[in-house]
Amino acid sequence: EDQVTQSPEALRLQEGESSSLNCSYTVSGLRGLFWYRQDPGKGPEFLFTLYSAGEEKEKERLKATLTKKESFLHITAPKPEDSATYLCAVQAGNFNKFYFGSGTKLNVKP
Amino acid sequence: EPEVTQTPSHQVTQMGQEVILRCVPISNHLYFYWYRQILGQKVEFLVSFYNNEISEKSEIFDDQFSVERPDGSNFTLKIRSTKLEDSAMYFCASTMTEIEAFFGQGTRLTVV
Repeated sequence: EDQVTQSPEALRLQEGESSSLNCSYTVSGLRGLFWYRQDPGKGPEFLFTLYSAGEEKEKERLKATLTKKESFLHITAPKPEDSATYLCAVQAGNFNKFYFGSGTKLNVKP
Repeated sequence: EPEVTQTPSHQVTQMGQEVILRCVPISNHLYFYWYRQILGQKVEFLVSFYNNEISEKSEIFDDQFSVERPDGSNFTLKIRSTKLEDSAMYFCASTMTEIEAFFGQGTRLTVV
């Protein structure tokens, strides 16, 4: 069965303390891996799409990387406004659906 | 910047009533989706829609649910005979093939 697993479930960082979030997946026919940010009570906000192993994407303090089995979202020198739940989703087999992980809740303290 | 819009943002309904959640996908997108997220839980796939028909649905999407694209812009989710456990955030999303999916801000459905 296709699965997407994110770790850790929750992460507390001090402002400026860099870290990484993990998304591991077991799907066949990966078409794309997506990272989203979700604030409480809001919809997922698109961050990155990665299509093939070795690919990297960057946006401000965030960098996403992809291997054949997992993806990492690296956060460099985070700020309190980076606090949110980060969701990983994969699109596999066809374009009909995305499989979401449970998310990592990031809390950055000043 | 194009975005997916959903209305209403919050809907309160009595158990047993029917509700219609509305979405306006991004105009040139081809695939449309409904997802739901029960408070504190994972985002769950409900249904995908392409070329004016359902292309895939999950086991959650039973006869209580239906989707429709009544015109060229709207995409609706109808929930009949609502139950308490239908209370959740419902997200609409749209995508072109091989391009990132964009989600709306969601409709919070509360069944009382």
